[in-house]
Amino acid sequence: GESVGLHLPTLSVQEGDNSIINCAYSNSASDYFIWYKQESGKGPQFIIDIRSNMDKRQGQRVTVLLNKTVKHLSLQIAATQPGDSAVYFCAENEAGNQFYFGTGTSLTVIP
Amino acid sequence: EAGVTQFPSHSVIEKGQTVTLRCDPISGHDNLYWYRRVMGKEIKFLLHFVKESKQDESGMPNNRFLAERTGGTYSTLKVQPAELEDSGVYFCASSQYHSGNTIYFGEGSWLTVV
Repeated sequence: GESVGLHLPTLSVQEGDNSIINCAYSNSASDYFIWYKQESGKGPQFIIDIRSNMDKRQGQRVTVLLNKTVKHLSLQIAATQPGDSAVYFCAENEAGNQFYFGTGTSLTVIP
Repeated sequence: EAGVTQFPSHSVIEKGQTVTLRCDPISGHDNLYWYRRVMGKEIKFLLHFVKESKQDESGMPNNRFLAERTGGTYSTLKVQPAELEDSGVYFCASSQYHSGNTIYFGEGSWLTVV
């Protein structure tokens, strides 16, 4: 299967700062990507997605950037809040195939 | 609208016993997926149903795992006999369309084999 990895397994940020979570993927044919947030004891929750025909997409306080040249995906969280503390997973998908997930990045927000 | 629901939320069983996990997908979602996350590792695909048919079961670890989706509604995942390495969180997810569309996860069934 394909591998999806994360550059940093843990990230600590001060409340109010911006957070950047990175993800590297290996399948150049992947054309759909999702970021999920998993809080302790809960299931992964959809945050934002992006298709390969885009390089940037913005949501509420979150932005996803896609660099297909280097197969890199990032999630930017603006004005990070304590409620943002969670494990963040990126997932990649090639049309017709399953989603593949990374190991996750644990984000801790320091008050 | 109810999301994906899973039962039980937590289960502790002894090695050699049997456990059956249940998943109710979002109403109207033909696609149902099972995933597993072992502590500190990635979320790994187990299998995919389209309605009652197994579309892809390439992620099933071995024949101790049996998944069913009778009638194309809810699904069960049975582990028999359970081994220590089966411990982890079993997530169910569903989607209306397969591939290129968001899949929605349940809260997971946390399995501990002792």
